[in-house]
Amino acid sequence: SYGLTQPASVSVSPGQTARITCSGDALSKQYVYWYQQRPGQAPVLVIYKDRERPSGIPERFSGSSSGTTVTLTISGVQAEDEADYYCQSSDNSSPYRFGGGTKLTVL
Amino acid sequence: EVQLLESGGGFVQPGGSLRVSCAVSGFTFSSHAMSWVRQAPGKGLEWVAGISGSGSSTYYVDSVKGRFTISRDNSKNTLYLQVNSLRGEDTAVYYCARDKLPVVGDAFDIWGQGTVVTVSS
Repeated sequence: SYGLTQPASVSVSPGQTARITCSGDALSKQYVYWYQQRPGQAPVLVIYKDRERPSGIPERFSGSSSGTTVTLTISGVQAEDEADYYCQSSDNSSPYRFGGGTKLTVL
Repeated sequence: EVQLLESGGGFVQPGGSLRVSCAVSGFTFSSHAMSWVRQAPGKGLEWVAGISGSGSSTYYVDSVKGRFTISRDNSKNTLYLQVNSLRGEDTAVYYCARDKLPVVGDAFDIWGQGTVVTVSS
């Protein structure tokens, strides 16, 4: 199947490390991109091509890939990181496919 | 400054039509593929339609094929989405998004603030 699966929610305390996964059969062959969406705002690209960080994105955001699962890691989580996070990739049937999104809660 | 500014959203009855626009500035418009991405209330992101930088290739999610048409005018730096035969499930915030490349399928590196389309009787 071509779907991208993310956990619905992840909770961490400030200063801890948050890991958000994205799984899909196509991910072993395609790059993954990650977006942060704060409430009431447009999405912002935080990771591209699995692990590259756009300019202006803090170093605490990183990405990794293993087989059909990719992971967004946020080290030293801050209150401002509380947001929805979406993975995105492409496959044979669509140039863009989003995961269902993960709500990150900072306790 | 790179900017994407959507307009044209509104309230429309089921079966109705609307055209939403996205005016861009601050970059070479024709060097980037563009897309419309929507978000229904309380739901996740859904890619709806994409177009190459030249405008020669267009792509749609299955649920809007035959009802929505994406187009662009590179001389006016504007992206369009004509939406016809609207249904309740089309109610969403519609975002204009820039692809990093002139062909579809890479990352969306710039997003507009969105325009709201509400379909209801």
